Amino acid sequence: QSALTQPASVSGSPGQSITISCTGTSSDVGNYNLVSWYQQHPGKAPKLIIYEGTKRPSGVSNRFSGSKSGTTASLTISGLQAEDEADYYCCSYAGSSTSVFGGGTNLTVL
Amino acid sequence: QVQLVQSGAEVKKPGSSVTVSCKASGGTFSSYTISWVRQAPGQGLEWMGRIIPIFGTANYAQKFQDRVTITADEPTSTAYMELSSLRSDDTAVYYCARGGIRKYSWFDPWGQGTLVTVSS
Repeated sequence: QSALTQPASVSGSPGQSITISCTGTSSDVGNYNLVSWYQQHPGKAPKLIIYEGTKRPSGVSNRFSGSKSGTTASLTISGLQAEDEADYYCCSYAGSSTSVFGGGTNLTVL
Repeated sequence: QVQLVQSGAEVKKPGSSVTVSCKASGGTFSSYTISWVRQAPGQGLEWMGRIIPIFGTANYAQKFQDRVTITADEPTSTAYMELSSLRSDDTAVYYCARGGIRKYSWFDPWGQGTLVTVSS
């Protein structure tokens, strides 16, 4: 069970859109529509922002959206705001009742 | 609204074991799974395993298969994670998180985290 691959860092200016990729394999991301995304601010617990690839929990801004193509899932944040500056993690079901996280991406709002 | 409250910070010697608890309040405990996820200092999230309290069955990441035991006590709505043969690289914040029982597709909410420090 290798970690999913995410870029270490991304950045964008307020109001812009950014996309964070999450690359897995045919055993995890590519085989299931069960990717979730989490936002984590320093010193805080992670917060669910996208589940089952494209769904947003109640209360999460519609500026966050998810998609998937093949073995790569993506998180897009539109209309960047200063409060979006955080670490972002993807997670996928990996079969046999196991899950695997990505290495995380640090988002800087310039 | 369900809330997960974890036990306090621990300091352990190498080779010993640690048990972290996670108590659910304000919601149904048995209809969901509880997963344990750890985060070493400055590092990413790492899924360790999950339990389905209503069945008492647990599954573990291969990396932790031989050292971790996850249990749950339905009457007290509390899940436990025991990690044995502790090493210095087990120093991390350990989180519990609720998940779905039909689709393992989300973790929400999360506990506040428990810092476990392994040091001689």
